[in-house]
Amino acid sequence: AQSVTQLGSHVSVSEGALVLLRCNYSSSVPPYLFWYVQYPNQGLQLLLKYTTGATLVKGINGFEAEFKKSETSFHLTKPSAHMSDAAEYFCAVRDSASKIIFGSGTRLSIRP
Amino acid sequence: DAGVIQSPRHEVTEMGQEVTLRCKPISGHNSLFWYRQTMMRGLELLIYFNNNVPIDDSGMPEDRFSAKMPNASFSTLKIQPSEPRDSAVYFCASSPTGAMTEAFFGQGTRLTVV
Repeated sequence: AQSVTQLGSHVSVSEGALVLLRCNYSSSVPPYLFWYVQYPNQGLQLLLKYTTGATLVKGINGFEAEFKKSETSFHLTKPSAHMSDAAEYFCAVRDSASKIIFGSGTRLSIRP
Repeated sequence: DAGVIQSPRHEVTEMGQEVTLRCKPISGHNSLFWYRQTMMRGLELLIYFNNNVPIDDSGMPEDRFSAKMPNASFSTLKIQPSEPRDSAVYFCASSPTGAMTEAFFGQGTRLTVV
C-alpha cells in the first residue's frame, strides 16, 4: 500500500529565507504526488502535482517540487519565504485504487 | 463552478444525538472522499466512492459512522450516536476519474460533540 511520510511537523524560517518541506513516499507503482496547502479554518488547496513527464514541477505562489524516484522523495521548496506562506502543508499520493493518502502535515511558520 | 459545497459549516450537538453532514461534489466529478481532521490523527480518509459506489470504507471508525451517495450530486456522512471523541473537522472532496487528477476540497464541517 502507498504511504507518505512528512519529516518535521513544524518548520520555522525567516522571511526571505529558503523554504524546504520534506516528503517521502512508498509506492509499488509509479506514483502520482501532490502538495496541498491549508490556511486556518479553510479546506485544502492544491499547490502542485506530479503525474508524468518533467520531474521539476512548478506550482502556485512560487512553490516548486522535484520528484526523485531514486530517493522516493517529493520535497517542496520556495526560494524566498513570505509572511503569507504561513500555513499547514500536506503531501499526498494517489494510489492504484485511486485513494488519496495524505501525510501528517507540516506547519510552516515565518519569522519577521 | 461553486466548488465542493459542505453543510453545515459548524455543528454543535449533544452526546448521543444523530449528526448528518452533507456534501455536494463538483458537477462531473466521479470520485468522492470523506476525510476527518484532528490534531492527534491528522487527515484520515474515512470512505471513498467512485460513480456513487463505496469502494473503500476501511477508514470508517466504527458502526456508528455511515456514508451514502444516493446520486452523483449528493453525499451524506452520518454519525449515530455521536460521542465527544467524534469532534473534528470533516472534509468532503471530489475529483474527476483518473489517478492523475487531484481532489478538490470543500470548506469542511467543524463538529463539536458536547
